[in-house]
Amino acid sequence: GAGVSQSPSNKVTEKGKDVELRCDPISGHTALYWYRQRLGQGLEFLIYFQGNSAPDKSGLPSDRFSAERTGESVSTLTIQRTQQEDSAVYLCASSLKRGHETQYFGPGTRLLVL
Amino acid sequence: AQSVTQPDIHITVSEGASLELRCNYSYGATPYLFWYVQSPGQGLQLLLKYFSGDTLVQGIKGFEAEFKRSQSSFNLRKPSVHWSDAAEYFCAVGAPGYSTLTFGKGTMLLVSP
Repeated sequence: GAGVSQSPSNKVTEKGKDVELRCDPISGHTALYWYRQRLGQGLEFLIYFQGNSAPDKSGLPSDRFSAERTGESVSTLTIQRTQQEDSAVYLCASSLKRGHETQYFGPGTRLLVL
Repeated sequence: AQSVTQPDIHITVSEGASLELRCNYSYGATPYLFWYVQSPGQGLQLLLKYFSGDTLVQGIKGFEAEFKRSQSSFNLRKPSVHWSDAAEYFCAVGAPGYSTLTFGKGTMLLVSP
């Protein structure tokens, strides 16, 4: 089947606007992860879902960031009142189950906040 | 908390030459260790992983890595680099029982003709 898909692939927005980023995991994968990759940096963990619950939200940088997941399917990462420092590539990954099974990554959404 | 250091930001290797990318980790016990590769405009692809057992791990595309507990290292190697290997390589560490990974800042590999 298809791999992890993310949309949009690119997003340009103005400071202060809200954005929604979408992730479609591999079918049957119960675990889903969001990461942020700033220019020249490694991946920064944001949030992890097991099914539709989020046992680990420790990486969300502020209350402007939130995420939800519908069942064991689509997840949406929402950034409210975007700031320029939110500009980054947002990567989503899924794995078959919790733990360190292989995480399969999507191509990412490149967000630019002007 | 665990951490990962990739000391080399950029490495340039001639095509056909051997490659070693360094990765050092900080963790109190034996971690789970991963190497991922990211080609321009692409997501991350898993090259190999170490959970336990044999400390020399074979991966895809001819890559291997060796876990050295005494040096807290998990260096990635390839005997002969191809131009298509030019990409950014990330080392990651995970704590057994937890689901999140901590990534290094990456090493950009450039391959010269």
